[in-house]
Amino acid sequence: EAEVAQSPRYKITEKSQAVAFWCDPISGHATLYWYRQILGQGPELLVQFQDESVVDDSQLPKDRFSAERLKGVDSTLKIQPAELGDSAMYLCASSSRGWGTGTYNEQFFGPGTRLTVL
Amino acid sequence: GEDVEQSLFLSVREGDSSVINCTYTDSSSTYLYWYKQEPGAGLQLLTYIFSNMDMKQDQRLTVLLNKKDKHLSLRIADTQTGDSAIYFCAESISFNKFYFGSGTKLNVKP
Repeated sequence: EAEVAQSPRYKITEKSQAVAFWCDPISGHATLYWYRQILGQGPELLVQFQDESVVDDSQLPKDRFSAERLKGVDSTLKIQPAELGDSAMYLCASSSRGWGTGTYNEQFFGPGTRLTVL
Repeated sequence: GEDVEQSLFLSVREGDSSVINCTYTDSSSTYLYWYKQEPGAGLQLLTYIFSNMDMKQDQRLTVLLNKKDKHLSLRIADTQTGDSAIYFCAESISFNKFYFGSGTKLNVKP
């Protein structure tokens, strides 16, 4: 069964360091999402890609966070510099439906990367 | 902005029914979803309902939607210990943007 892959599963870093997370969506899925899930809360969308283009990054803290999906397949989320408040689970999801197609859109989630900033 | 709210905890005995409730604020929701998250794992879609439906049944799961009150519920019949997890309600706006509640932790006692 196809799955969304994420790495690393766990990351511990010190504040002011740079970290990067990688996501490989299900093959053929055009839409890719990065979410941040703080402990005890639901996922919050950081950025959404349609193929290689960003369609929504309104909640991405652009002074320190960046995301790319250069070939429209896998994606990298970077934080530089990391802050204590960035400690969270970072979830990647993908879906086969495109932006604005007007149909049911199921997201498939990866296992997440748990980030701890010391 | 969009606000999806859930109660934080629910405890039931094995074999009983569980009912998890959710309220949302955006009347333009197109689909509403229930996800399950087990410890250390990502979210798994359990079921969903289109906003013009009142009810959907899928094996042990029953979803009820009261669009007038913006209230969604998930009923799990014959709850098992393997159902212990966090359950998230989510809504999608214009088919693409998703908003999640803070999750309800279901504890099933043997």
